[in-house]
Amino acid sequence: GENVEQHPSTLSVQEGDSAVIKCTYSDSASNYFPWYKQELGKGPQLIIDIRSNVGEKKDQRIAVTLNKTAKHFSLHITETQPEDSAVYFCAATGNQFYFGTGTSLTVIP
Amino acid sequence: DGGITQSPKYLFRKEGQNVTLSCEQNLNHDAMYWYRQDPGQGLRLIYYSQIVNDFQKGDIAEGYSVSREKKESFPLTVTSAQKNPTAFYLCASSIAVREYGYTFGSGTRLTVV
Repeated sequence: GENVEQHPSTLSVQEGDSAVIKCTYSDSASNYFPWYKQELGKGPQLIIDIRSNVGEKKDQRIAVTLNKTAKHFSLHITETQPEDSAVYFCAATGNQFYFGTGTSLTVIP
Repeated sequence: DGGITQSPKYLFRKEGQNVTLSCEQNLNHDAMYWYRQDPGQGLRLIYYSQIVNDFQKGDIAEGYSVSREKKESFPLTVTSAQKNPTAFYLCASSIAVREYGYTFGSGTRLTVV
């Protein structure tokens, strides 16, 4: 089965700085890599995703990069704002979705 | 608006009781899922369904049961056999099991009293 490792588990940054969260996966057949943001007491929300035929994807202040050879992908948030504070989960497809263990991001005003 | 609705938001259960959590979607998605989330932890898959009248066990199915009689609905029953049911339960749906993102509901917080 798939195994997705996510680092760091907690991350604090100053407002305006960048934040990077990294994930590694084990199943070489994985070909879809979404990222989710979960605010306190709510369900996760899909914020960006990338497929295996693409190396990088951007959407305003967030971007995801994928290195299939190394089996790792990363979420980059630039110009962080307090409302970016949340738990972020990465995921990768195997037979079904496998989630990372989450990163709690705190943006300090 | 299309979306996925979970009810109730909060649920209290006495030990030895079965309880059923509701999940309804109007997104016309074929696949539906139930996840359990414990404080400070990730998401663990309980059951998933790729199509009506079919469902598969996830990583932690013991003590839970599901049904998929309609495309829109995927209720989860937490039985008395589940030894530690207090958790946050999330329902999700997607176009298909692979290669598509999930839409999550807002969750049900179950507490055993």
